[in-house]
Amino acid sequence: QVQLVESGGGVVPPGRSLRLSCAASGFTFSSYTMHWVRQAPGKGLEWVALIWYDGSKKYYANSVKGRFTISRDNSNNTLYLQMNSLRAEDTAVYYCARQRATRSYFDYWGQGTLVTVSS
Amino acid sequence: DIPMTQSPSSLSASVGDRVTITCRASQIIDSFLNWYQRKPGKAPRLLIYAASSLQGGVPSRFSGSGSGTDFTLTISSLQPEDFATYYCQESYSDAWTFGRGTKVEIK
Repeated sequence: QVQLVESGGGVVPPGRSLRLSCAASGFTFSSYTMHWVRQAPGKGLEWVALIWYDGSKKYYANSVKGRFTISRDNSNNTLYLQMNSLRAEDTAVYYCARQRATRSYFDYWGQGTLVTVSS
Repeated sequence: DIPMTQSPSSLSASVGDRVTITCRASQIIDSFLNWYQRKPGKAPRLLIYAASSLQGGVPSRFSGSGSGTDFTLTISSLQPEDFATYYCQESYSDAWTFGRGTKVEIK
């Protein structure tokens, strides 16, 4: 069955970096566009970034553009989110999500990893 | 980004009530609009895709309508398991956007 397992969250001071990973299994990872979505405490869902199945195109929310980088390793079925220059407002649970093939919606989500930006 | 204005932010309703949630896009997004249900500690669940298509396994009391800029999610007869937070999400642009959510609470 499809599984998405995030890791790499933790507590980090403002201005520092963190890299999140999402290990995918149960499907042909290299065939799917993947996304990162986050939810800050007490707030709603916020789309963060997406990467095409082959890594050829990447798009970002304005709130993270220039600071975050999405990437993937199709040989290891892993999605990444490199987060630099972290701010307190980046504190959130970060989810990876799969986009349904040939459709424009999320069909599977991970359980999330918590990132806390605090001194 | 295409800002999505979702309303109301919360509502109180009783079992059996008809509930309507609206979502307005800041520009035309055709029918690239999805609705999700979110319960605490669980992954979001897709209810409606492409504005009006019911996802498999979702009860028929859920329906979606609209196109262009204005969209609606309707729950025809609210059930106890429907108390949750609902989000619209556009997928027209390259940078997807969620609405701010509607929390449906028990009256």
